[in-house]
Amino acid sequence: GQNIDQPTEMTATEGAIVQINCTYQTSGFNGLFWYQQHAGEAPTFLSYNVLDGLEEKGRFSSFLSRSKGYSYLLLKELQMKDSASYLCAVKAGDYKLSFGAGTTVTVRA
Amino acid sequence: IAGITQAPTSQILAAGRRMTLRCTQDMRHNAMYWYRQDLGLGLRLIHYSNTAGTTGKGEVPDGYSVSRANTDDFPLTLASAVPSQTSVYFCASSDSGGYNEQFFGPGTRLTVL
Repeated sequence: GQNIDQPTEMTATEGAIVQINCTYQTSGFNGLFWYQQHAGEAPTFLSYNVLDGLEEKGRFSSFLSRSKGYSYLLLKELQMKDSASYLCAVKAGDYKLSFGAGTTVTVRA
Repeated sequence: IAGITQAPTSQILAAGRRMTLRCTQDMRHNAMYWYRQDLGLGLRLIHYSNTAGTTGKGEVPDGYSVSRANTDDFPLTLASAVPSQTSVYFCASSDSGGYNEQFFGPGTRLTVL
């Protein structure tokens, strides 16, 4: 099975940067996903990493180190609408994902 | 239909009753999944199907069953509901190529009394 850890909560100010860390232990690693989930809504895809390094997509970036079992999601120029839960998910083997418990980010004015 | 739909949106159910949660996707994705989401525990996989006609058990399958008669539909059945099955249930699907990014339905909020 997978063991995926991420912080429970983070708070940041509008316009700032927040980094959400995710550590995992797994066998047969085959990619790591980040999803965003607003309260009462479904998760939506943010990013995917399968090789080491940084993937940038607008204000959001995701980093992966397979040797360290570590990833982070970087949110820049925070906006109020970024207040949500951010889910780290690891794919091992076939299509199945294992999710962390999620990090709730609160953006304050 | 665009994407994944789930029905009902919410349901209150008496313990011991049978309940089927419906999930339909129109993206022709091969793989489909059922998750439950509970506060502090995140999304946990109940059952999955890699292709029509096949199903598999996830992390928390007890008390649930699924079927995959065709590509589009993936119903989840609670044979005899118990209060611990109170949760938000999400259906998801993914293609067999590329990222295998999973697309999620809007969820069903189920309360078992």
